Amino acid sequence: DSGVTQTPKHLITATGQRVTLRCSPRSGDLSVYWYQQSLDQGLQFLIQYYNGEERAKGNILERFSAQQFPDLHSELNLSSLELGDSALYFCASSGYMGSYEQYFGPGTRLTVT
Amino acid sequence: QKEVEQDPGPLSVPEGAIVSLNCTYSNSAFQYFMWYRQYSRKGPELLMYTYSSGNKEDGRFTAQVDKSSKYISLFIRDSQPSDSATYLCPFSGSARQLTFGSGTQLTVLP
Repeated sequence: DSGVTQTPKHLITATGQRVTLRCSPRSGDLSVYWYQQSLDQGLQFLIQYYNGEERAKGNILERFSAQQFPDLHSELNLSSLELGDSALYFCASSGYMGSYEQYFGPGTRLTVT
Repeated sequence: QKEVEQDPGPLSVPEGAIVSLNCTYSNSAFQYFMWYRQYSRKGPELLMYTYSSGNKEDGRFTAQVDKSSKYISLFIRDSQPSDSATYLCPFSGSARQLTFGSGTQLTVLP
C-alpha cells in the first residue's frame, strides 16, 4: 500500500457527461501528479500540483481540469466525455518540490459508453 | 529521440532464472534513476531508485547504473511467478514529472 488513495475505483458514464476523480496523497506529501493510461498504452503525464498551485502541464486536454485543495487532496475533472477518454487515471504524490520518487495510487478506471 | 529506450519484450523466463531488464537514456542531465513495477491494471509501484553509478541492491533486486554508457539495468535473482509484471524505467523531467515508455513485460513461468 503506497498510502495514496483514489476514489472511486470504477466509474461508468455516458458520452458528454462530466466526472470528478479524487486523490488523497500520502501523509505529508505536497506534490500531486495525475497520469492517464489508456488500454495498452503507456502512462501519460497530465498535470502536477504543488501545495495548491499548478506547477506543470503535460498532454492534458482542455476538457480536463484539476485542482489541489488546502488539505492537499486533489480532484481531476473530466467534462464532455468521449469514448476515447476511457482509461485508467492514476495520481501520484511526492514529498517536496525537488523530490523525484513518486508513489502511485491504485487508480480510477473510467469507462465511457 | 526518446528520452529513455527500454527493451520492448515481452520476456518469458522459468522460475528461478536471473532476469535482466535494460534501458538506455539519451540525456546526460538525467541524474535520477528509478524502476517501477506495474501489475496488470494496477498502480505502478516504486521498486528502486538511485542517483549514482554502480549497483544498488535490495533483496533479490539489483539496480545497475552506468552513466558513461547511459545504460541502466534491473536484475532479478531467483525470479518468482509473482515477479510477472511490466517493469518501467521512467525519465524524470524538469518538474519531476515522469515520462514512461511502454515498459518490458515479464512473465515468470512456474
